[in-house]
Amino acid sequence: AQSVTQLGSHVSVSEGALVLLRCNYSSSVPPYLFWYVQYPNQGLQLLLKYTTGATLVKGINGFEAEFKKSETSFHLTKPSAHMSDAAEYFCAVTRGYGNKLVFGAGTILRVKS
Amino acid sequence: GAVVSQHPSWVICKSGTSVKIECRSLDFQATTMFWYRQFPKQSLMLMATSNEGSKATYEQGVEKDKFLINHASLTLSTLTVTSAHPEDSSFYICSAIRGTTEIEQYFGPGTRLTVT
Repeated sequence: AQSVTQLGSHVSVSEGALVLLRCNYSSSVPPYLFWYVQYPNQGLQLLLKYTTGATLVKGINGFEAEFKKSETSFHLTKPSAHMSDAAEYFCAVTRGYGNKLVFGAGTILRVKS
Repeated sequence: GAVVSQHPSWVICKSGTSVKIECRSLDFQATTMFWYRQFPKQSLMLMATSNEGSKATYEQGVEKDKFLINHASLTLSTLTVTSAHPEDSSFYICSAIRGTTEIEQYFGPGTRLTVT
């Protein structure tokens, strides 16, 4: 079975500060990993994904994540937070094509001015 | 490309009635679609996997007679909540996979269901 743990249900940063959202996964097979962002009453928008290849993945809006197999982690970072980054972020894992996504509990990011 | 729509975006219905939610892939064919449910301040939980032309596969604990899923074409899947009750009030989100090899799921904007 697969699972995702997001450490910290709420993260607060100042505008311009580093954003770090933590994600650890459990998977019995090589995982495919995703980060999504959700604004209130909206669907999910893909930020970035890791399938195979380069372990440092760059996504939209300046976000990036690094797949670390030894640590079973896929933490999301952004060098400088913007007010528009305030939202809820979900890490998710899947076994592959046609398989369900298993989501973490989500992390609400607050950006202070 | 890879746009998924849902209709309606928001619906209110009375207890005991049924409501249908549509999920459409607008610019691609989707052999597989998924239906998720999200309670307030919680994560997404998969309800069922829908494959075109076959019966949906429901997750453990999801009542298939209550949540009827039909995937009649490669661009349309529907979720019907039958005999709705207030505890069915939730945010329902669908996703679709493009083609037969892609890993990524494309998500719809969600449907807010309120049962009074």
